[in-house]
Amino acid sequence: DQQVKQNSPSLSVQEGRISILNCDYTNSMFDYFLWYKKYPAEGPTFLISISSIKDKNEDGRFTVFLNKSAKHLSLHIVPSQPGDSAVYFCAASMVYYNQGGKLIFGQGTELSVKP
Amino acid sequence: EAQVTQNPRYLITVTGKKLTVTCSQNMNHEYMSWYRQDPGLGLRQIYYSMNVEVTDKGDVPEGYKVSRKEKRNFPLILESPSPNQTSLYFCASSLRVGGSGQFFGPGTRLTVL
Repeated sequence: DQQVKQNSPSLSVQEGRISILNCDYTNSMFDYFLWYKKYPAEGPTFLISISSIKDKNEDGRFTVFLNKSAKHLSLHIVPSQPGDSAVYFCAASMVYYNQGGKLIFGQGTELSVKP
Repeated sequence: EAQVTQNPRYLITVTGKKLTVTCSQNMNHEYMSWYRQDPGLGLRQIYYSMNVEVTDKGDVPEGYKVSRKEKRNFPLILESPSPNQTSLYFCASSLRVGGSGQFFGPGTRLTVL
């Protein structure tokens, strides 16, 4: 039972355009969501997070949107750059329920940004 | 330099031969965690630790053990490895729970024959 799902295994975008990566979850108790980026042969790196009390969080070119009623979050990268080519994982946890230590990840989406 | 180190980076072993993958962080982080990455399944949490002597199960703890005797170290123990534990393993640490600012190690590629 996959509680966090990334239904698109891959995404290809032209340099300079917007990349939109999507993530769906099933557990309404999740209250904290994160995105990680992973290059080949490296460990994942934390990118951006959002608490369930917000619906948007921005950090430079990266914006995460949360739609709690749809149990959906998305990561927008604007403008996309070739260096953004990587696998992106979304993750969720239940910090308010004192289970912040437990992280559930999606399957990942491989983003390819073409010059 | 702030980092999470894992050893070994690559390991090929046989079924049933006990092994330990070490993880160490130099950032005085309280929270540490182990994950495995498998094609099509993403990252799955094995065990995590909120502090010294405090550990808890993640999503896929079967076949693994951990210990947290010191703040900086969080070894992953496979008492009797099996081929379905062939995977890419990552250790991570962070100052607080929730996943924000979690630093990951470079990964350990384990093959169990």
